[in-house]
Amino acid sequence: GNSVTQMEGPVTLSEEAFLTINCTYTATGYPSLFWYVQYPGEGLQLLLKATKADDKGSNKGFEATYRKETTSFHLEKGSVQVSDSAVYFCALKAARGTSYGKLTFGQGTILTVHP
Amino acid sequence: EPEVTQTPSHQVTQMGQEVILRCVPISNHLYFYWYRQILGQKVEFLVSFYNNEISEKSEIFDDQFSVERPDGSNFTLKIRSTKLEDSAMYFCASSVPGGASGANVLTFGAGSRLTVL
Repeated sequence: GNSVTQMEGPVTLSEEAFLTINCTYTATGYPSLFWYVQYPGEGLQLLLKATKADDKGSNKGFEATYRKETTSFHLEKGSVQVSDSAVYFCALKAARGTSYGKLTFGQGTILTVHP
Repeated sequence: EPEVTQTPSHQVTQMGQEVILRCVPISNHLYFYWYRQILGQKVEFLVSFYNNEISEKSEIFDDQFSVERPDGSNFTLKIRSTKLEDSAMYFCASSVPGGASGANVLTFGAGSRLTVL
């Protein structure tokens, strides 16, 4: 079946540090890939997405590139801010055979950024 | 910005009791979903709902669970007889109609935390 594996957290960084959160997946075909973010007390929000191999999703300084050869979708940001402290979820939508909106999530990675 | 709202934010119940979690999806969305996250585990798909019927459900969504859209705005998840293992955060989500490019982009609510004692 489909699965998503994220790096274990929590991740603690100082402001302006470089961030990488690893995400690898298992799925047949070409799934769509997503990063969702959950700020304290809020719902999961779409951060970025990529729908085909070599696509790069980007938003708010975050980037992730869909790598079919390594089945990865690592999240990166060059300089994190305290306001980036949140839980980050990698997710996939299977290429076919499932309903719209049926996402498979990773376990989430807690990011804490200190001033 | 439109948002999905969920109530209650936290509910504590006794094992065996019925629980109803409520959600108000975004008004022009037509697909609705429930997910749950047991503490320390992954967010898991429970069910998707479209055109007043379930379009897909996971193996978790057994006969104890049901969903309903009782009116034009609410979407509910009912657990008939709660078990200890139902303790989790339950997330409602909605998305635009299928076929649109944003159909896979879900808007989630902040969640309802259910604690079963």
